[in-house]
Amino acid sequence: DQQVKQNSPSLSVQEGRISILNCDYTNSMFDYFLWYKKYPAEGPTFLISISSIKDKNEDGRFTVFLNKSAKHLSLHIVPSQPGDSAVYFCAVQTGANNLFFGTGTRLTVIP
Amino acid sequence: NAGVMQNPRHLVRRRGQEARLRCSPMKGHSHVYWYRQLPEEGLKFMVYLQKENIIDESGMPKERFSAEFPKEGPSILRIQQVVRGDSAAYFCASSPRPGLAGVLSYEQYFGPGTRLTVT
Repeated sequence: DQQVKQNSPSLSVQEGRISILNCDYTNSMFDYFLWYKKYPAEGPTFLISISSIKDKNEDGRFTVFLNKSAKHLSLHIVPSQPGDSAVYFCAVQTGANNLFFGTGTRLTVIP
Repeated sequence: NAGVMQNPRHLVRRRGQEARLRCSPMKGHSHVYWYRQLPEEGLKFMVYLQKENIIDESGMPKERFSAEFPKEGPSILRIQQVVRGDSAAYFCASSPRPGLAGVLSYEQYFGPGTRLTVT
């Protein structure tokens, strides 16, 4: 039972353009949402997060949007850079304990 | 400030052997989480521990798997009598404290993982 879904396994974007990664979740009780970035043979690295009381959080080139009514989360990266090429996982948290991860989207930024 | 340390990075075991995976959390972090990533899948939660206590093991298989986080030393994930289906990347994460549901959360910081191969 997949509670967090990333329906696009891969995404290719030209350098300098916007990358938009999407994530859907099923449980309206989730109250904290995170994005992690993962390079091969490394652990996930925390990127940005948002609480359910907000609908937008921005950190430099990265912005996360939360649409609670649609149970939808998105990550915008602008401008995209080749170093952003990685697998991006969205994760949701409830009860302050474990994270539920999506299956990931592989982003390729083309120079 | 060193990050989360995991060792070994790669572990090969034959079917039926035991696997021991170690995790040292970041300095000042007393909460440890173990996750497993099967090929082509996302990370799946296994267990959440504080020092000397298992808080949530709802993601842990009922048999052959155990975890501990002793007062001194690293957290250990132990898999007895390994089978080929145990082959995966096992990640450990730590946080300084748990959040407060609906109010506050603390990000989990991940180690580089241990890649277990069962032959």
